[in-house]
Amino acid sequence: QLQLQESGPGLVKPSETLSLTCTVSGGSISSYNHYWAWIRQPPGEGVEWIGSVYYNGDTYYKPSLKNRVTISVDTSRNQFSLKLNSVSAADTAVYYCARYRAIWDYSDIWGQGTLVTVSS
Amino acid sequence: QSVLTQPPSVSAAPGQQVTISCSGSNSNIGSKYVSWYQQLPGTAPKLLIYEDNKRPSGIPDRFSGSKSGTSASLGITGLQTGDEADYFCGTWDTSLRAFVFGTGTKVTVL
Repeated sequence: QLQLQESGPGLVKPSETLSLTCTVSGGSISSYNHYWAWIRQPPGEGVEWIGSVYYNGDTYYKPSLKNRVTISVDTSRNQFSLKLNSVSAADTAVYYCARYRAIWDYSDIWGQGTLVTVSS
Repeated sequence: QSVLTQPPSVSAAPGQQVTISCSGSNSNIGSKYVSWYQQLPGTAPKLLIYEDNKRPSGIPDRFSGSKSGTSASLGITGLQTGDEADYFCGTWDTSLRAFVFGTGTKVTVL
């Protein structure tokens, strides 16, 4: 069955760029009407949708993060990526990648998550 | 600050039932499907209910979803110790053009 796996540095310095990649296995990232999302969860807090991308490159971002976020897709590698600029301690969180059945619908598959700590 | 409000916690004895509310507005719950997620300690969230009241394969019928106007609810009957987890609602917000999650509710089995 389809699985998602996050990868990237677990420690990022303040003001630098957080970069993560999600590898999709057991299925195609180019599947019709599926969107691919990044979601994060600060320690002890709730979950926050960061944004989503379609296989053709169309993107949607959370308005409050839009100026710092870029989500891109690489169909040849069956991967999608997150870049978050100018990070601070407030960006410390477990970052999940997930599949959405449609941009406005539900998320049915999640990765296991990866903890990213912002600290000097 | 989330646009979907949930109670911070609910609790009940084993075998009893709990209901978790999710309050929103016309731009989200009032016009779009609601989904519910269960997050067991130390794990990723898992889809529990989708499109207001549908259960994915493998989710027991002890879990149910409903919606009325700008509020949605998740019901859990026959509460088990394994149900102790955080539960989140989620939906698309047409004004924000963003997916929004609820504040989350911790379920405790007494």
